[in-house]
Amino acid sequence: SQTIHQWPATLVQPVGSPLSLECTVEGTSNPNLYWYRQAAGRGLQLLFYSVGIGQISSEVPQNLSASRPQDRQFILSSKKLLLSDSGFYLCAWTGGSRPSGNTIYFGEGSWLTVV
Amino acid sequence: GEDVEQSLFLSVREGDSSVINCTYTDSSSTYLYWYKQEPGAGLQLLTYIFSNMDMKQDQRLTVLLNKKDKHLSLRIADTQTGDSAIYFCAEYPSGTYKYIFGTGTRLKVLA
Repeated sequence: SQTIHQWPATLVQPVGSPLSLECTVEGTSNPNLYWYRQAAGRGLQLLFYSVGIGQISSEVPQNLSASRPQDRQFILSSKKLLLSDSGFYLCAWTGGSRPSGNTIYFGEGSWLTVV
Repeated sequence: GEDVEQSLFLSVREGDSSVINCTYTDSSSTYLYWYKQEPGAGLQLLTYIFSNMDMKQDQRLTVLLNKKDKHLSLRIADTQTGDSAIYFCAEYPSGTYKYIFGTGTRLKVLA
């Protein structure tokens, strides 16, 4: 069966410091991968998605970036964090090589507090 | 735009029915979903409905879809305290890779 892992689960970072959140999916190949952010009272905001290695689509202009160095690995990064980057970050995946509406599955999330 | 709208809060008594509403924006959306999020956790799929259906029932859950009004609802029968959580609706616009989520409705079940 497929599983998704993301880490770290919680981190507290000072303003201006770098960020790296990592997500891996097991039990499937060529997944579509997603990063969402959940801020208080604002629902889920799609940040990035990737349909293949090295292919990244950015939905929201910001100081975050994403990379997909391997088929089942998705990394969310920042060179300099802002206070507004605080939130709950969720990695997710779907199967299928074409847009199909396959169910999207989420990791357990990473809490980021920028101080 | 791509705003999926939900009311933010709903409070019900244990044993009553809960109805959570959602308005989506893209008429091409082929799939519509309901997810549940418990405190500090990721989202879990509850149910989904194809756009060519009006209703889907799954045990205590009933989903109603009104395509004309782009309105989706989730009814939870015999609501229990364990149903307390945030509920998200989501749409999947046809031909894209994007899943657009609503703001979430926080359901509180009172004993």
